[in-house]
Amino acid sequence: EAEVAQSPRYKITEKSQAVAFWCDPISGHATLYWYRQILGQGPELLVQFQDESVVDDSQLPKDRFSAERLKGVDSTLKIQPAELGDSAMYLCASSSRQGEDEQYFGPGTRLTVT
Amino acid sequence: QKEVEQNSGPLSVPEGAIASLNCTYSDRGSQSFFWYRQYSGKSPELIMSIYSNGDKEDGRFTAQLNKASQYVSLLIRDSQPSDSATYLCAPLGAAGNKLTFGGGTRVLVKP
Repeated sequence: EAEVAQSPRYKITEKSQAVAFWCDPISGHATLYWYRQILGQGPELLVQFQDESVVDDSQLPKDRFSAERLKGVDSTLKIQPAELGDSAMYLCASSSRQGEDEQYFGPGTRLTVT
Repeated sequence: QKEVEQNSGPLSVPEGAIASLNCTYSDRGSQSFFWYRQYSGKSPELIMSIYSNGDKEDGRFTAQLNKASQYVSLLIRDSQPSDSATYLCAPLGAAGNKLTFGGGTRVLVKP
């Protein structure tokens, strides 16, 4: 069964350091999403890609977060510098097309900033 | 008012009983609705999608949608201890490209 891949699964970093997360969506899925989930809350969309283009990054803290999907396949989310409040689960999801199609999540990356 | 509201729980049900989870949403233009199950420390797993008013059944799960009341629910029949998890409600926005998640309802099924 096709799955969304993410790495690393866990990351511990000190504040002010840079950190990066990688995501490989289900093969053939054109739409890719990055979410952040704080403990006890639902996931919140950070950025959405359609192929290599950003569709929605309205909730992405652009002073420290960046995301790219250069070839329209895998994607990287970066935080620089990390802050204590960035500690959360970072989830990647993909769907075959924007709109009604179901989104499938990867295993996530648990980030702890110390 | 939150965009998507769910009772945080925990909803405690005995094994074999029916668990009933509710969700209300504020975006009247939402047309598609999804339920995800999330075990502690894991990522969300899609378990149901519903697009039309009425009921949709899939195994032990039944989703119910009432767009006029902006209400969607999930029933889990014959609840099992393995159903103990947090259930997230997620309507798709009217623009058709963004899921908004509720905070989730934690379900505990006791043997």
